[in-house]
Amino acid sequence: GAVVSQHPSRVICKSGTSVKIECRSLDFQATTMFWYRQFPKQSLMLMATSNEGSKATYEQGVEKDKFLINHASLTLSTLTVTSAHPEDSSFYICSARDLGGKFTDTQYFGPGTRLTVL
Amino acid sequence: GQQVMQIPQYQHVQEGEDFTTYCNSSTTLSNIQWYKQRPGGHPVFLIQLVKSGEVKKQKRLTFQFGEAKKNSSLHITATQTTDVGTYFCGVGRGTYKYIFGTGTRLKVLA
Repeated sequence: GAVVSQHPSRVICKSGTSVKIECRSLDFQATTMFWYRQFPKQSLMLMATSNEGSKATYEQGVEKDKFLINHASLTLSTLTVTSAHPEDSSFYICSARDLGGKFTDTQYFGPGTRLTVL
Repeated sequence: GQQVMQIPQYQHVQEGEDFTTYCNSSTTLSNIQWYKQRPGGHPVFLIQLVKSGEVKKQKRLTFQFGEAKKNSSLHITATQTTDVGTYFCGVGRGTYKYIFGTGTRLKVLA
């Protein structure tokens, strides 16, 4: 099956610093990737849709200047949390659609990145 | 906007008992997907339902799509400790993106 990786898996940073999270589709090309945030014991909240070669589409209430998304290639999307604050601490998960898969709407999720801002 | 509710929020069952979670949408759906997330893990795709009234089975798991395509259910027969986790339904919104239900956290007591 399709594999999506994320790096790093865990990061701890000081308040005010920026953190970059990478999402890679390893064995398929993904023109569209999605970034979710999940707080403890809650559902996944869609933050933005990352489109290869164009600007990301952000969900209502998500600050695009704070969560910078770059989809530089068909296999890589990055999320940069700028000037991170403790309230940004969360589990960030990316997903990618495998258009060549059996189920074209299937999303394959990365293992997630746990961000802790001190 | 479109909302997707799941009930129950939590369910504790004794090993061997059955379990059902329900997903309800405020709008008609083109399709619905189910995912399982183990504690500390990421969501893993289980199934996709497309047709009205569709029923699909995966071993002890039975998935059903409502006739009106506004609700769906996931039923687990004779739960095992390996079934522990949170079950989410996912529904399409727009052309590509998906939103997820509130999730049902299942705990199986041995």
